[in-house]
Amino acid sequence: GEDVEQSLFLSVREGDSSVINCTYTDSSSTYLYWYKQEPGAGLQLLTYIFSNMDMKQDQRLTVLLNKKDKHLSLRIADTQTGDSAIYFCASDYGGSQGNLIFGKGTKLSVKP
Amino acid sequence: DAGVTQSPTHLIKTRGQQVTLRCSPKSGHDTVSWYQQALGQGPQFIFQYYEEEERQRGNFPDRFSGHQFPNYSSELNVNALLLGDSALYLCASTEAGLTTFTDTQYFGPGTRLTVL
Repeated sequence: GEDVEQSLFLSVREGDSSVINCTYTDSSSTYLYWYKQEPGAGLQLLTYIFSNMDMKQDQRLTVLLNKKDKHLSLRIADTQTGDSAIYFCASDYGGSQGNLIFGKGTKLSVKP
Repeated sequence: DAGVTQSPTHLIKTRGQQVTLRCSPKSGHDTVSWYQQALGQGPQFIFQYYEEEERQRGNFPDRFSGHQFPNYSSELNVNALLLGDSALYLCASTEAGLTTFTDTQYFGPGTRLTVL
């Protein structure tokens, strides 16, 4: 079946940039999403990218999409301790909106 | 504007029991999806409701059922609970039929279900 994979852990120092990577198998993905989950909380949509775009920038967040390699990345500039959380990559299965496929999440730890 | 709300926050049940979880969608949204998030995993799609009908379903057994009410709120029911049903259950809402890239799913805080 369709799959989304992410590395499980990333540790950075405060002020550095963080890059979280994701690969997906569904070639029909229309949108790809990044969600953030803090301990004990639900999912917060951070940003998304349409599949015909290569890059999207939103304040400290930059999303890069390599559709040929089915590789998605999220760069967080000037990472802060408040950015410590689990980050999920998700694919939308061709735009159905109802059936998001999530990766297992990357736990980002930011050290002061 | 209230976002997606879910109740209860936490729930403890024993094996074999039945449970009902509730979700109210974000104002203006008419489509509700349910996800199960086991510890250390990403959310997995259970099913989606639109116009009071189940529109899509993931790979979950019939023990998982749902309902959507005329006010768009939704319930998730799980029968004959197993230990493996322990998870965070997330509800997400969206507005059906939109095609702009601004439409997406908004998640509630979840219900933590523990099965003993």
